Amino acid sequence: NAGVTQTPKFQVLKTGQSMTLQCAQDMNHNSMYWYRQDPGMGLRLIYYSASEGTTDKGEVPNGYNVSRLNKREFSLRLESAAPSQTSVYFCASSPLGYNEQFFGPGTRLTVL
Amino acid sequence: AQSVTQLDSQVPVFEEAPVELRCNYSSSVSVYLFWYVQYPNQGLQLLLKYLSGSTLVESINGFEAEFNKSQTSFHLRKPSVHISDTAEYFCAVSDPHTGGFKTIFGAGTRLFVKA
Repeated sequence: NAGVTQTPKFQVLKTGQSMTLQCAQDMNHNSMYWYRQDPGMGLRLIYYSASEGTTDKGEVPNGYNVSRLNKREFSLRLESAAPSQTSVYFCASSPLGYNEQFFGPGTRLTVL
Repeated sequence: AQSVTQLDSQVPVFEEAPVELRCNYSSSVSVYLFWYVQYPNQGLQLLLKYLSGSTLVESINGFEAEFNKSQTSFHLRKPSVHISDTAEYFCAVSDPHTGGFKTIFGAGTRLFVKA
């Protein structure tokens, strides 16, 4: 099993450009998450999907949109990138909400 | 809103010495508690978790953590560290009343084990 996979691994954008970060899991998990990691701030939840067909805002949703395409895939979209969105983005999944989360390897995004 | 405080941003320690990484969370009637470890350029991996039951939980590689409800703490300990334990450690809390989906992470503690 590949676990949680993310693409791309690295990305550089100019201010105002858009992009979609892709995430897929092969563990048949119900719940999926998007986090951003910034130095000294730990991980902050952007959006989550408790189950297929549902999405909810986390702690820092502004400037982002998500799509739970099916049970396996959960994408994160930046419509108009800003330098404040420079970060490392992690996707995660879990069988249910209260269980441990399994993380992907991350996407390092730089917005110039 | 729930919050998590990891009291030390960096902890240097010599190999084979004991270590404690401290974690406090804001009060709540009940919580789920987690410790995750992140090695360089990787995602986070679960180290151990407390959902209910025994307040002392252990991992397979010698770490343990104790849930202390009165002090709202979940400190991580290891009696003898190895070079390979060098990593960043994150304490995390989720609220069972919201289904446990909104996990709050601490800022992290970087453990550096010296030879």
